[in-house]
Amino acid sequence: ILNVEQSPQSLHVQEGDSTNFTCSFPSSNFYALHWYRWETAKSPEALFVMTLNGDEKKKGRISATLNTKEGYSYLYIKGSQPEDSATYLCAFYQAGTALIFGKGTTLSVSS
Amino acid sequence: NAGVTQTPKFQVLKTGQSMTLQCAQDMNHEYMSWYRQDPGMGLRLIHYSVGAGITDQGEVPNGYNVSRSTTEDFPLRLLSAAPSQTSVYFCASSSPGGQGREQYFGPGTRLTVT
Repeated sequence: ILNVEQSPQSLHVQEGDSTNFTCSFPSSNFYALHWYRWETAKSPEALFVMTLNGDEKKKGRISATLNTKEGYSYLYIKGSQPEDSATYLCAFYQAGTALIFGKGTTLSVSS
Repeated sequence: NAGVTQTPKFQVLKTGQSMTLQCAQDMNHEYMSWYRQDPGMGLRLIHYSVGAGITDQGEVPNGYNVSRSTTEDFPLRLLSAAPSQTSVYFCASSSPGGQGREQYFGPGTRLTVT
């Protein structure tokens, strides 16, 4: 059974702090790595889908990197704002299998 | 453009009852899937479809049935509800490329089985 690990499980930061989370996944037969943002009482929304080793993606203050050889991805948030409070999910896709989601990192940003 | 819609939003069932969770998308996406979300667990894939007339099982298919007669609709049937099926159910769709592509999620259905 494929396993996707996210750390930390939860995180509390102050407004303006920069932070990062880790997603670890199997390094064999890699196809794609997804990051989603999930706000309370809403549905998950895609942030990034990355497919190439060394990929770096950016959307505003949020960016992500990918290392398929060692099986990890980092999500960075620069200058956290209260509206960044959410659960961040990563999901790993190995061709021919299901999209496997991690349990998420819950970020709380206080002003 | 409504995206992915799900009905109902909430449902309470008694053990042994059957019901259908509805999912529809208006983005002409070929790929659709059903997930369940349980406390302390990630989203787990129940069933998926790569196009009309084609369905396949995901990680946790037991107790659920699906069909895909049109591109737009992908209903999930609970054949005989059990308390273990108490969960939040999400439907998702994506453009060709399936799970390698960004998934668009519906708002979810919260199901309680007593």
